[in-house]
Amino acid sequence: SYELTQPPSVSVSPGQTASITCSGDRLGDKYASWYHQKPGQSPVLVIYHDNKRPSGIPERFSGSNSGNTATLTISGTQAMDEADYFCQAWDSSTAVFGGGTKLTVL
Amino acid sequence: QIQLVQSGVEVKKPGASVNVSCKASGYTFTSYGISWLRQAPGQGLEWMGWIRVSDVYTIYAQRLQGRITMTTDTSTNTAYVELTSLTSDDTAVYYCARRGTMDAFDHWGQGTVVTVSS
Repeated sequence: SYELTQPPSVSVSPGQTASITCSGDRLGDKYASWYHQKPGQSPVLVIYHDNKRPSGIPERFSGSNSGNTATLTISGTQAMDEADYFCQAWDSSTAVFGGGTKLTVL
Repeated sequence: QIQLVQSGVEVKKPGASVNVSCKASGYTFTSYGISWLRQAPGQGLEWMGWIRVSDVYTIYAQRLQGRITMTTDTSTNTAYVELTSLTSDDTAVYYCARRGTMDAFDHWGQGTVVTVSS
């Protein structure tokens, strides 16, 4: 079955740029989406179709996807961005999620 | 505004079944699919399956085949998931989510806690 791999944790200082990767076999041939989830809350879509932002998502969130790796980039990271981040792609009509990355802003 | 409102907490014994509902509002229910996902304590997201509301076409995650059934009621704009033969491994928060036109999950329910314990 298809698998997506994310680093368990990423740390960033406030105001700096955070990058979270998601790796999968030929992931660049699929569309990647990204979600963030704060404790006790439901996930929220922040990036779809590799690099599109839903309405209401700040411009500091951006994405890219090429080869075997999709990347979520948060520019000028704020304390409110501290959350778990999950990547997701479709494979044979099945939604696959990465294991999640805990972003710590310190 | 678009809302997905799920049913409340469930506590079940091993071997029992659970049925979780998800009432949609703020959009045309039959124009989108609904996926069900779950998240075990401290774990990541697991996709359980998807139902296309317009024709009730369903796809289920292979590991749940035979135990899961997804249905909809278009008269009340409500989606349902039933999971049978529960074990402690089914203890999780269960979410419904709308599969938007961008093929991503653009709106989520608030989650339903399901605990399986003897």
